[in-house]
Amino acid sequence: QQQVKQSPQSLIVQKGGIPIINCAYENTAFDYFPWYQQFPGKGPALLIAIRPDVSEKKEGRFTISFNKSAKQFSLHIMDSQPGDSATYFCAASSEYSGSARQLTFGSGTQLTVLP
Amino acid sequence: GAGVSQSPSNKVTEKGKDVELRCDPISGHTALYWYRQSLGQGLEFLIYFQGNSAPDKSGLPSDRFSAERTGGSVSTLTIQRTQQEDSAVYLCASSPAGGRSYTFGSGTRLTVV
Repeated sequence: QQQVKQSPQSLIVQKGGIPIINCAYENTAFDYFPWYQQFPGKGPALLIAIRPDVSEKKEGRFTISFNKSAKQFSLHIMDSQPGDSATYFCAASSEYSGSARQLTFGSGTQLTVLP
Repeated sequence: GAGVSQSPSNKVTEKGKDVELRCDPISGHTALYWYRQSLGQGLEFLIYFQGNSAPDKSGLPSDRFSAERTGGSVSTLTIQRTQQEDSAVYLCASSPAGGRSYTFGSGTRLTVV
């Protein structure tokens, strides 16, 4: 029930393309869904996050689409650039011990944007 | 500090030796988390601290793994009698109380030979 399933494992697109990364979850207690971006040799960094009371959130070229009934959410990257090449992780959490949140991460998607 | 600092950045150790990995969280962040990332894999939760106490140790893979946090700040993850399967990147993250987002350090790459 704690698992978050992410696909695809890897993705290659041309510059300007719109890569889409999908995640699915089972635990209906999850109420916060962030995406993290990780470059080689660095820790993951928060990219964008959504709560289940909205169906879409945009920040710059990054959009999260959220389908509560299907328990799925996805990341879209508009006008992708070679600098977007990184590993992307979806995650989910619920309130934990009242004072902090344990994130459950997907397995990651390695995105390559070709010039 | 300005970010989460982890040391060492790289560690090569012989099988059977003990290792200590250090995490210095962002000042004022009360929650601290350890994750393990194996090559090409996702992030595996190990342990979580709220202040100096660890309410959840469920992710520690064996009794060879332990962690402590002192002064509500620095944390040390200790792996005793290292095995080759312990080779991975160990990531530390911190968040403020009730915070939804983590700030990760750059990790310690552990190689057991």
